[in-house]
Amino acid sequence: DTGVSQDPRHKITKRGQNVTFRCDPISEHNRLYWYRQTLGQGPEFLTYFQNEAQLEKSRLLSDRFSAERPKGSFSTLEIQRTEQGDSAMYLCASSYELTRNEQFFGPGTRLTVL
Amino acid sequence: KQEVTQIPAALSVPEGENLVLNCSFTDSAIYNLQWFRQDPGKGLTSLLLIQSSQREQTSGRLNASLDKSSGRSTLYIAASQPGDSATYLCAVPGGTSYGKLTFGQGTILTVHP
Repeated sequence: DTGVSQDPRHKITKRGQNVTFRCDPISEHNRLYWYRQTLGQGPEFLTYFQNEAQLEKSRLLSDRFSAERPKGSFSTLEIQRTEQGDSAMYLCASSYELTRNEQFFGPGTRLTVL
Repeated sequence: KQEVTQIPAALSVPEGENLVLNCSFTDSAIYNLQWFRQDPGKGLTSLLLIQSSQREQTSGRLNASLDKSSGRSTLYIAASQPGDSATYLCAVPGGTSYGKLTFGQGTILTVHP
């Protein structure tokens, strides 16, 4: 399967703990995006990478959130000191700038903060 | 700031009906529009992408149209089937080249046998 993959698919944690999610984009895609989706809403943009450079962060991304994309391949999203309001589906997408920038999404990581 | 609205929020139809989902956006300076399908608890599946220079795009029983000047897109589903039951989302990129997407809230479609 050459689609976008995310790990883990589900994460349950206690308030105050740190969590890290991983996203592996489609191999030739140079752009990678993180979105967050809460129940009944459309996804909201969090951050974007072109190759290894993080080019934009949403105001939704507080200083407890950090994302990296070393070597322009996979990406990680870390949430420190989790809060109950962080409970959501975290979605990763990738695209290739020279092919209409169509975004392809992974299956998501469902985070539940108790 | 781009805002995307989808109407209706929910739709329930009997199998076999043709149906139309609507999407409107406030900033017409877009270079494409994507329609996605999302099954409960799953990620998004890209259905169709329409470039700003196109007016229509078709894939199987799906047809999407785009009217940039009026800020509207429609997704037409022909001969609906129970397997079409899902949430349908439209999204437009921001006014820059990298295309972070702004999504509508989605239309929840239920097709009953």
